[in-house]
Amino acid sequence: GAGVSQSPSNKVTEKGKDVELRCDPISGHTALYWYRQSLGQGLEFLIYFQGNSAPDKSGLPSDRFSAERTGGSVSTLTIQRTQQEDSAVYLCASSSNRDGGETQYFGPGTRLLVL
Amino acid sequence: ILNVEQSPQSLHVQEGDSTNFTCSFPSSNFYALHWYRWETAKSPEALFVMTLNGDEKKKGRISATLNTKEGYSYLYIKGSQPEDSATYLCAFSSGNTGKLIFGQGTTLQVKP
Repeated sequence: GAGVSQSPSNKVTEKGKDVELRCDPISGHTALYWYRQSLGQGLEFLIYFQGNSAPDKSGLPSDRFSAERTGGSVSTLTIQRTQQEDSAVYLCASSSNRDGGETQYFGPGTRLLVL
Repeated sequence: ILNVEQSPQSLHVQEGDSTNFTCSFPSSNFYALHWYRWETAKSPEALFVMTLNGDEKKKGRISATLNTKEGYSYLYIKGSQPEDSATYLCAFSSGNTGKLIFGQGTTLQVKP
């Protein structure tokens, strides 16, 4: 079956521009997560969505970051006025529910480079 | 602040060698411990989810153990093969939430 997909796979942008990253989770998965890996760092939690509940935004590094999930499926992570420190691999994952013991299935990531 | 530590940071072994890595995590508020394998240019692949103290899981040549009281997990690879070369990540879950706290990973390189 289809796994988690993300687009674009690579994105190069100039400092100050806005970018949108897209995630298509596995069909039927109610929980969706965004993480990022900056150079030399571990995977860092950003935000998660569970069904119709309010998202947990506790990992978003600044108010330039936002995310939405439309219709309980596709999610978009938006970074406004990008900075060089936003350069990272942004990973999306989904699971059948938000339980901490459920396997999260990851997409291939979007590699963002801010010049 | 919840902190997950992995050691070693990197490892180079010869084909056929057996190896193991360590993941240390907070022993309080433990809910689950995840292991992933992440190969370059691919998606992280789930290996194990472990929830009970004393859990042992096995998948082919890879196995893992869990000690929640002292806050550590070991991942073992028996008879390493070049295709095992990857970064191995552990992630800790506290409470009934899917928010995972990841370690920085152990990068394994297996030489033929």
